[in-house]
Amino acid sequence: GAVVSQHPSRVICKSGTSVKIECRSLDFQATTMFWYRQFPKQSLMLMATSNEGSKATYEQGVEKDKFLINHASLTLSTLTVTSAHPEDSSFYICSARGRAVNYGYTFGSGTRLTVV
Amino acid sequence: SQELEQSPQSLIVQEGKNLTINCTSSKTLYGLYWYKQKYGEGLIFLMMLQKGGEEKSHEKITAKLDEKKQQSSLHITASQPSHAGIYLCGADNNNDMRFGAGTRLTVKP
Repeated sequence: GAVVSQHPSRVICKSGTSVKIECRSLDFQATTMFWYRQFPKQSLMLMATSNEGSKATYEQGVEKDKFLINHASLTLSTLTVTSAHPEDSSFYICSARGRAVNYGYTFGSGTRLTVV
Repeated sequence: SQELEQSPQSLIVQEGKNLTINCTSSKTLYGLYWYKQKYGEGLIFLMMLQKGGEEKSHEKITAKLDEKKQQSSLHITASQPSHAGIYLCGADNNNDMRFGAGTRLTVKP
């Protein structure tokens, strides 16, 4: 079945630095990738949608200059949290959808980001 | 935009009891997904429903989608401690997937 690999699973960074999270589709071409954020005791909130080779579409309230999304290939999307602050600490999870209808949405295992 | 209402927010049941979680959409659903999650971990796919009136079962979990494709229910029979977690419904609107607020299930031994 479809597999999405997300790295790193956990990262701790200092306030003011940038962190990159990778999301790879291992056995299918991901035409669309989605990035979600989950705060403690809350649900997953869609941050942005990216189509391969296009600029990402951000949800209202998500700063595109802070959360840089790159989807340069059909198997890789990256989310870079720039100038991270403690309030950016959260669980980030990606999802990928391929060309084939039966692939549906496949989720990565998530990244726990802690900004100190 | 599409909104998903999930109820209840939390549920505590005794082991062996049955329970139902509901998910209601403000718009007709293209597809409805059910996931289980332990906070801070990835999502475990349970079931996907697409057709009005569809019902699927896996082990002790049954999910239904109503004829109008705006409401789904997840039913667990004879609950066990292993069923504990957060249950999320996700609405596929063919452009993206958005989630309900989640139901936190606790099963007391």
